[in-house]
Amino acid sequence: GAGVSQSPRYKVAKRGQDVALRCDPISGHVSLFWYQQALGQGPEFLTYFQNEAQLDKSGLPSDRFFAERPEGSVSTLKIQRTQQEDSAVYLCASSDRGRYQETQYFGPGTRLLVL
Amino acid sequence: GESVGLHLPTLSVQEGDNSIINCAYSNSASDYFIWYKQESGKGPQFIIDIRSNMDKRQGQRVTVLLNKTVKHLSLQIAATQPGDSAVYFCAESKPDDKIIFGKGTRLHILP
Repeated sequence: GAGVSQSPRYKVAKRGQDVALRCDPISGHVSLFWYQQALGQGPEFLTYFQNEAQLDKSGLPSDRFFAERPEGSVSTLKIQRTQQEDSAVYLCASSDRGRYQETQYFGPGTRLLVL
Repeated sequence: GESVGLHLPTLSVQEGDNSIINCAYSNSASDYFIWYKQESGKGPQFIIDIRSNMDKRQGQRVTVLLNKTVKHLSLQIAATQPGDSAVYFCAESKPDDKIIFGKGTRLHILP
């Protein structure tokens, strides 16, 4: 079956632009996670959805970052007024039940470069 | 979190040998541990997990060992193959809390 997909795969933005990153989780998966991965480092948690409810947004680095999952399936991570330090790979993961501690399936990521 | 920078620790292993990748985790309250494999240009891929009520778990060609006394986790890969080349991350989680990834280790397979 289809895995987690993300689009676009690559995004170049000028500093100050807004960007929107999309995640299509595995069909039927309850949980959806966003992570940020800087070059040479492990993924860092940004936010967690259980269906359409955003249960944890403790990892969002600033109020310029906003995520939504309005119908409990597709999710969008939006970054407003991008800064150079936002350059990273943004990973989405989903899991089939509403718990942190179960297998997460990751998408390929969106590589964001802010110039 | 800690900054690793661009230089990941690297483990070089001869093809066919066993690989052992080590990880020190940070939180004694963590009760769930996972190993992920990440190939270039791809997202992390789940390998194996273990809960704190166990000290060893085996999968296909992989074994995870957990030593709670010293907060140490290891991943053993038997008969390492070229396809095992990747960056390996350990991760931990406290009860009902998000997963925290550790520093990665790059596994390089020598022909």
